[in-house]
Amino acid sequence: DIVMAQSPLSLPVTPGEPASISCRSSQSLLYRNRFNRLDWYLQKPGQSPQLLIYLGSSRASGVPDRFSGSGSGTDFTLKISRVEAEDVGVYYCMQALQTPLTFGGGTKVEI
Amino acid sequence: EVQLVESGGGLVQPGGSLRLSCAASGFTFSSHWMHWVRQAPGKGLLWVSRIDGNGNTANYADSVRGRFTISRDNAKNTLYLQMNSLRAEDTAVYYCVRDSGDFDYWGQGTLVTVSS
Repeated sequence: DIVMAQSPLSLPVTPGEPASISCRSSQSLLYRNRFNRLDWYLQKPGQSPQLLIYLGSSRASGVPDRFSGSGSGTDFTLKISRVEAEDVGVYYCMQALQTPLTFGGGTKVEI
Repeated sequence: EVQLVESGGGLVQPGGSLRLSCAASGFTFSSHWMHWVRQAPGKGLLWVSRIDGNGNTANYADSVRGRFTISRDNAKNTLYLQMNSLRAEDTAVYYCVRDSGDFDYWGQGTLVTVSS
């Protein structure tokens, strides 16, 4: 199984300031040497998870451009350029390269 | 508008069975792989199972293989998860998820509690 490791576990943030979350996989998520099968999800308090970033760096529909994803292979980063109050919640990375699909343990972002 | 509405959760004794349903609408159901993802209370997300659009191919997490069965009825636009031999560690909110190459739509979840 591919193991996904996220850091930090908890991330206190200040509105208007940048924030960054790291995700590392136990093996490369590069598919056909082109696509990284790595997605990012945000679970806001009391809600179902929602897609933020797919294929490592593509923003999902409706996601503000302050969110960006980068990285390739085994090392990935989610960045928020300027945190807003509505960004609080738990962020998860997930590998979609092979079953079992696996999630990182989550990063709780709080103000 | 895409909607995924889970039902069938509840309280069940260890060793018991439960069948979850997920009613899909707003898209061509048969064109998508569908997944079940669960979340134990206060814990992270765990992928459970997936099924292809025709219902011919299914995959499972090791923790549920042999006990859970995923299926679908494309005529009814409904996804199912038959859960047998339930254990306390299966207690979780179960989400139905649409696969468009990523998990672009999630249901609101249904809570399954396994306890005596």
